Amino acid sequence: KQEVTQIPAALSVPEGENLVLNCSFTDSAIYNLQWFRQDPGKGLTSLLLIQSSQREQTSGRLNASLDKSSGRSTLYIAASQPGDSATYLCALLTGTASKLTFGTGTRLQVTL
Amino acid sequence: DTGVSQDPRHKITKRGQNVTFRCDPISEHNRLYWYRQTLGQGPEFLTYFQNEAQLEKSRLLSDRFSAERPKGSFSTLEIQRTEQGDSAMYLCASSFLGRALTDTQYFGPGTRLTVL
Repeated sequence: KQEVTQIPAALSVPEGENLVLNCSFTDSAIYNLQWFRQDPGKGLTSLLLIQSSQREQTSGRLNASLDKSSGRSTLYIAASQPGDSATYLCALLTGTASKLTFGTGTRLQVTL
Repeated sequence: DTGVSQDPRHKITKRGQNVTFRCDPISEHNRLYWYRQTLGQGPEFLTYFQNEAQLEKSRLLSDRFSAERPKGSFSTLEIQRTEQGDSAMYLCASSFLGRALTDTQYFGPGTRLTVL
């Protein structure tokens, strides 16, 4: 059974800092890995998707990496802004089913 | 592009009542998923449809839960005899699975259920 862990559970940083969020998983037989953003009480917004054959994806100030052999992914956020404050979730697509397995998320607060 | 929509956005009900949620996927998406998210946790898979066929159900989906997707368009999720433990955010997602091995799921805003 795939287990997904996200560390840290919560993070507070001052505006302008670069930061890294971590995601680890137990089953390396994945199809892809996605990072999502969730604002309080809202649905999920997909940020980046990395196929199993890829090692990283970039979108603006966001960069996500994938290392299947070690069962790890990182989400790097450059020059953080207060608008980045949200919960960030990683999710993996594994096996023959199309269901996503999510981590518990990292709650990020960027302060002025 | 109207995205995935869900209705209602919030539902408060008393224990023992039945509730029904609706999800309208992105037009022409052939797959539709339901997830449940409790406070402080990541979403957990409940079930998914390809067109009108329900292909997989999680063990989380007890006999009190039923989902349908008539004609392969919108979907409904019904919970009978609600319990306080059913209080959660119910998320719907849709995707298009074509020739690619995997699909990208697009999520709706969710329905927050509170059972008193």
